[in-house]
Amino acid sequence: DIVVTQSPDSLAVSLGERATINCKSSQSVLYSSNNKNYLAWYQQKPGQPPKLLIYWASTRESGVPDRFSGSGSGTDFSLTISSLQAEDVAVYYCHQYYSTPRRFGQGTKVEIK
Amino acid sequence: EVQLAQSGAEVRKPGESLKISCKASGYIFTTYWIGWVRQMPGKGLEWMTIIYPGNSDSRYSPSFQGQVTISADKSINTAYLQWGSLKASDTATYYCARYSLLEGHSAGWIDYWGQGTLVTVSS
Repeated sequence: DIVVTQSPDSLAVSLGERATINCKSSQSVLYSSNNKNYLAWYQQKPGQPPKLLIYWASTRESGVPDRFSGSGSGTDFSLTISSLQAEDVAVYYCHQYYSTPRRFGQGTKVEIK
Repeated sequence: EVQLAQSGAEVRKPGESLKISCKASGYIFTTYWIGWVRQMPGKGLEWMTIIYPGNSDSRYSPSFQGQVTISADKSINTAYLQWGSLKASDTATYYCARYSLLEGHSAGWIDYWGQGTLVTVSS
């Protein structure tokens, strides 16, 4: 059972500044046969379902602004918003799809400072 | 266009049964995993269960095993989540989610989400 833990639980960033969210898995989610990390990131705004941002730890979903980027490998990952915009206020979740149960991180709330 | 249309909000009393639905369209229903994610009020996302409609193979989180049942009706492209005896702690929004397809027909990331079904359990 792979547990994923995000940090911090919340952060406040000024408009135009960088925001970084971390995600740590209790076991590696790197599949050796294809050298891919089985980790995704989602954004959830109030009253809406989550939206896919990143998969394979660093592949941006079509239509997602390039200010969003994912990095990391093995057990340690990050989601970075390079220049925070007002519309980026949301809760962000990481999600491992390496094994079942496919747990989510607890979420990180991003606000404007 | 892929769409997941979930059934409407429900209010039930503790001990009652319930079955909520998710009708899929815009893709071949039998060839993608589909499942359910719980979000309790003001809380995070919890992975519950997943099913492959092509052969009804299903998986459950230990937290939900025995508490809910997932099923799928291939003839009407619909997935279901059901409870035999609801508790107040089942009060939550339940999201239907379609998974991307990886090699070997395994489930990848969630690429499409339903709009959510709010279930309220109160006496």
